[in-house]
Amino acid sequence: QKEVEQNSGPLSVPEGAIASLNCTYSDRGSQSFFWYRQYSGKSPELIMFIYSNGDKEDGRFTAQLNKASQYVSLLIRDSQPSDSATYLCAVAPSGTASKLTFGTGTRLQVTL
Amino acid sequence: EAGVAQSPRYKIIEKRQSVAFWCNPISGHATLYWYQQILGQGPKLLIQFQNNGVVDDSQLPKDRFSAERLKGVDSTLKIQPAKLEDSAVYLCAITSDHTDTQYFGPGTRLTVL
Repeated sequence: QKEVEQNSGPLSVPEGAIASLNCTYSDRGSQSFFWYRQYSGKSPELIMFIYSNGDKEDGRFTAQLNKASQYVSLLIRDSQPSDSATYLCAVAPSGTASKLTFGTGTRLQVTL
Repeated sequence: EAGVAQSPRYKIIEKRQSVAFWCNPISGHATLYWYQQILGQGPKLLIQFQNNGVVDDSQLPKDRFSAERLKGVDSTLKIQPAKLEDSAVYLCAITSDHTDTQYFGPGTRLTVL
């Protein structure tokens, strides 16, 4: 059974701090990795995707991938209350977005 | 939610009744997915279409769930008969033609009583 594991949280960080969200996966053949943000009562919204080992930055968000250790992380710099949401990690077996397997998500709370 | 409309947004039915959901991509997308998201869990893929054809339906409970995609555009997902454990949000997603990433519609929240 292919699995994607995330700490359900809640992860609480103060406004302006760095939030670090982690995800591990069991299928070594996974090639594509995605982070989605989901506000309560809303559908998942794509934040970032990463295919290669290392870091990928987009504004306040940085995705980090380490295929040897089978983990992917998302860093949110200068966290804002509007970042409070559930963050879903998803992996795909190929270099495309097909057949995504999602984790259960980590709930992030940014406090004032 | 870019480019994908779903209806209805909410549905309440009793167990053993039937229900249907619709997904309408605003513009043509070759690949379309249906996911089930139970409260507190991540989305689980039910079925993947490529144009009119089914690519993957390995996690679709075929004794009660069915889906079709007509003319490679709109899609319907049906449950007949519904069970209590089918209470969930049903999400339709499409793959962007430019970045090969999945984008979700607003979902349909189903409550089975």
